[in-house]
Parts: sequence; structure tokens; C-alpha cells
Amino acid sequence: SQTIHQWPATLVQPVGSPLSLECTVEGTSNPNLYWYRQAAGRGLQLLFYSVGIGQISSEVPQNLSASRPQDRQFILSSKKLLLSDSGFYLCARGGLNEKLFFGSGTQLSVL
Amino acid sequence: DQQVKQNSPSLSVQEGRISILNCDYTNSMFDYFLWYKKYPAEGPTFLISISSIKDKNEDGRFTVFLNKSAKHLSLHIVPSQPGDSAVYFCAEKNNAGNMLTFGGGTRLMVKP
Repeated sequence: SQTIHQWPATLVQPVGSPLSLECTVEGTSNPNLYWYRQAAGRGLQLLFYSVGIGQISSEVPQNLSASRPQDRQFILSSKKLLLSDSGFYLCARGGLNEKLFFGSGTQLSVL
Repeated sequence: DQQVKQNSPSLSVQEGRISILNCDYTNSMFDYFLWYKKYPAEGPTFLISISSIKDKNEDGRFTVFLNKSAKHLSLHIVPSQPGDSAVYFCAEKNNAGNMLTFGGGTRLMVKP
């Protein structure tokens, strides 16, 4: 199974509030996990990736952080949200032949 | 500087006709190319891929062409169907790592 669970599906948060988006995956152990963001009218931007528990690499400097407390759990966080953090957040896992499998995404609106 | 560019943000095609989606890249280290399809409020799903050792890969109505000398990738959909209406992303993998670099996407609208 390549199931990826992401929640919530939609989220409206005020500027300055904290954020926690959770992603859990099923299937083989020790998957490569990724957080992507799609801002309005823009492409998919890689935010973080993880090759194992506690191992996080950041692709772009920003207001967000990621953690991997368990093998199949990947969390995206922020202490204080900015308006520019609005977007569609996608969790993904690596698969065979370089394919990525994406979750259903979280639409975050920061007001 | 964008390494992967989809210069057409949108494309409108009549049902039954061919849809051609284009993608240009700058990094000659890319060795694997993929197309993803995304519906609104859903995650992207894998559509078709091609290795850099090939110049064409076909899967049903979908064909991907790779022109390495021009650093150009294209996706052909024929015949186009209304259900093909979605945003299409090209993606490339660098032979030095496992990350995919995505283009900005092209919104395809197939009119009945």
C-alpha cells in the first residue's frame, strides 16, 4: 500500500498563530518523505525532505520547520504564520523509479 | 533561476484534438523525466515518465517526447477528452540525488 494520510484538508489560521500539519504513510519502512507547497498560480516547491527518523533537509529558508519523530510520520510546523505561508501543502513519499506519491494536500489560508 | 520551465500557463483544446504540453530544462544532469496530473484540491498523480536514454515513451493516449539536444520535453495527449482537464506538471530528477524539480504547471482545458 502506498497510502498517504494528510490532515486537515483545509485550514484557516490568523497571522501569527502556530501551525502543525501531519502526514503519515503506510507501506514499506524507512520511506523518503517530502513536503511540497503550491502557492496560488505557481508550481510545486520542495520545502523539506527526510531520508529517515530525525533527518531533515531544508530546501529553502523560510518560516517553516519539519520533523520526523517516527519512521512513517512527517510533520510540518510554524511558530508564527505569515500571510505568505498561504498555499496548498503536499506530503509525498518516494517510490520506485524516482516516482513520488502524493497525499491529498492541505489548503492553508492565512488571514 | 528556474531549472524547469513550462512557458504556457494554460492551454485550451477541443475534445478529440491533440493536446501538446511543453517543458524546457537547463540542467544537463537530469536523467529521468516525469509528468504529473493534478486536479483541484487533490495531490498530483503520476502520469508517464521517460529515461534520458530514450526519446519517446507511449502509454495509451499519452506520449512523452524527449529532445536532449534542445533540452525539451513534451507530452502529447490524443485524442483529448474533457476528463483530461487538469494542471500538468513536468518534473526532472537529477542523477546526483533523489529529488524532483517541478515546472510551474500548465492548466489544460479540454472543451466538449
